Amino acid sequence: DTGVSQNPRHKITKRGQNVTFRCDPISEHNRLYWYRQTLGQGPEFLTYFQNEAQLEKSRLLSDRFSAERPKGSFSTLEIQRTEQGDSAMYLCASSLPQGPTEAFFGQGTRLTVV
Amino acid sequence: AQTVTQSQPEMSVQEAETVTLSCTYDTSESDYYLFWYKQPPSRQMILVIRQEAYKQQNATENRFSVNFQKAAKSFSLKISDSQLGDAAMYFCAYRPRGGAQKLVFGQGTRLTINP
Repeated sequence: DTGVSQNPRHKITKRGQNVTFRCDPISEHNRLYWYRQTLGQGPEFLTYFQNEAQLEKSRLLSDRFSAERPKGSFSTLEIQRTEQGDSAMYLCASSLPQGPTEAFFGQGTRLTVV
Repeated sequence: AQTVTQSQPEMSVQEAETVTLSCTYDTSESDYYLFWYKQPPSRQMILVIRQEAYKQQNATENRFSVNFQKAAKSFSLKISDSQLGDAAMYFCAYRPRGGAQKLVFGQGTRLTINP
């Protein structure tokens, strides 16, 4: 499968715990995006990488959130001290750098904070 | 800031009929892209169709076509000969040509196909 892969697919955690999600983009895509989607809403942009550089972060990304993309390959999104409001679907997407190329999405990681 | 609005939370259509999903957007940019994405239940989001703002011709992809009205900032999706597999959430999205090229999504329209 050469699509965008996200792990885990589902995560249930207790409030206050830390969680980490992983995204493996399509190999030749140097742009990688994280979005958050709450129930019944469209995805909202969180952050964006071009290769290993994190070039933009949304103000939705509080200081409890951190994302990395070492060596410009896979990316991780960590949430520290989770809160119930963090419960959502976290989507990863990747794309080529220029032109009208589409963003390819992974299946997402559904986080439930109890 | 750019915004995308989908005013129809839910739509339904009889199988084999035609349905149109509405989308409006707001931007001060002149060059951008518009997309319709489909999100089936528990499955990943996939691209249905894209439109480049500088192109006047409306995009078509098989049974899917758009009505792009740049002055009105309107971008509707028409699905012809609806099939059961078309049932999904549909999201309209805007993306600027430059910068981070992040997508701005609407709230989505849930499409139900009645057999």
